This record gives sequence, structure tokens and C-alpha cells, in this order.
Amino acid sequence: SQQGEEDPQALSIQEGENATMNCSYKTSINNLQWYRQNSGRGLVHLILIRSNEREKHSGRLRVTLDTSKKSSSLLITASRAADTASYFCATDEDTGNQFYFGTGTSLTVIP
Amino acid sequence: GAGVSQSPSNKVTEKGKDVELRCDPISGHTALYWYRQSLGQGLEFLIYFQGNSAPDKSGLPSDRFSAERTGGSVSTLTIQRTQQEDSAVYLCASRVSGSFYNEQFFGPGTRLTVL
Repeated sequence: SQQGEEDPQALSIQEGENATMNCSYKTSINNLQWYRQNSGRGLVHLILIRSNEREKHSGRLRVTLDTSKKSSSLLITASRAADTASYFCATDEDTGNQFYFGTGTSLTVIP
Repeated sequence: GAGVSQSPSNKVTEKGKDVELRCDPISGHTALYWYRQSLGQGLEFLIYFQGNSAPDKSGLPSDRFSAERTGGSVSTLTIQRTQQEDSAVYLCASRVSGSFYNEQFFGPGTRLTVL
């Protein structure tokens, strides 16, 4: 089964800097989603990008998708201490039934 | 207008005991997922329910794990004869189905500790 893999595993930046995290996956997908998790509990959906899209923006978030390389990146601009969390990418199978999550990137934004 | 809820929020049990974890999805969501997340790890898919279709149980790690979804709504994940390696946060998510492009809404999780 396919699974997204994020890198880096951990990232520490100063407040105001940009944070970039990457996700790679293995097979064809319908869409790729990014989620955020605080304190090891429930995840919150951030943004979805379809397989026919290359870039998408939502507030301070920018997501890119390169289906030829089977990779995606999440950019958080002008980071804030409140952005400190773990970020996961999730991909679906062609059927769209299951979602596969990577192991996540732990982001720490230092005030 | 509540989101996905799970109970209990925390469960401590002794090795060998059975536990039941409950998930109440968002009303009208036909798809329901269970995941397991061990400390510092990603989410491990366990089981998926879609409407009245047979569930996808391909992620259940052993026959000690089972899940039901009654009336297309509430779901219960049962772990029999718990082992210490079952200790993890169990997350439930629901989704409006009918499209590939819908997000999952997650509950807060149940933290299970097996002593």
C-alpha cells in the first residue's frame, strides 16, 4: 500500500521565517491533503490539492503538487509560534476510499 | 452541529482485558475511518466503513481487533485481550462520501494505555 512520507522529520525555525515541508508518495492519486495535529490528538484539515492542480493557496499556506515526481510541498509563510504542530500529508488510492498518512513533520516555531 | 466525538478520551486497562472505543461521526457522513497512532508516529489505517457496504478491514493488525458500525452512524472499535503494544491514540474520522475530494473530519482521539 502506498504511504506518504514527509521530510524533514523535524524542523525548527524562528518566528517570521518560512517553513517548507515535503511529501513523497508512491502511486497515482486523486488528491493529496495536508493536515495539522496538535499535541498528538485530532487532526485538522488544512488544504486539498487535486491531481490535476499544480499549486494552491490558502492564507499563509501554499501547496504544490508534482505528479511526475510524486511529490508535494507545503509552505507556511511568516510563521508564528502558534504554527508549532505536526504536519501530515495524506494521499488516497485511485478508488478514493482509503487515505494513507505519512509519518509527519514536527514543526517548532521559536518566538 | 457537533464534530466527530470519541469516548472515552483516555482509557487505562490491564493486559489481557477487552476494551471498547466509541466514535460518533458527523451526522450525514457516510464514510467512517479508524486509525491508530503510536507515540511520535504517523497514522496507521485500521478499518473503513462506507454506507451499507462491507467494511474494508485490511488494516486491522490482528484478529483481536474488530469494529462495528450500527445503523450507519456510531462505530465501536473493540480490542480483545489487550497487549502492551496496543497502547496508542485511536483516532476516528468521518467524511461525506460521493466524491474523492472531501476532507476527513477527525475526532479528538482515545488515548489507550495498556499496563
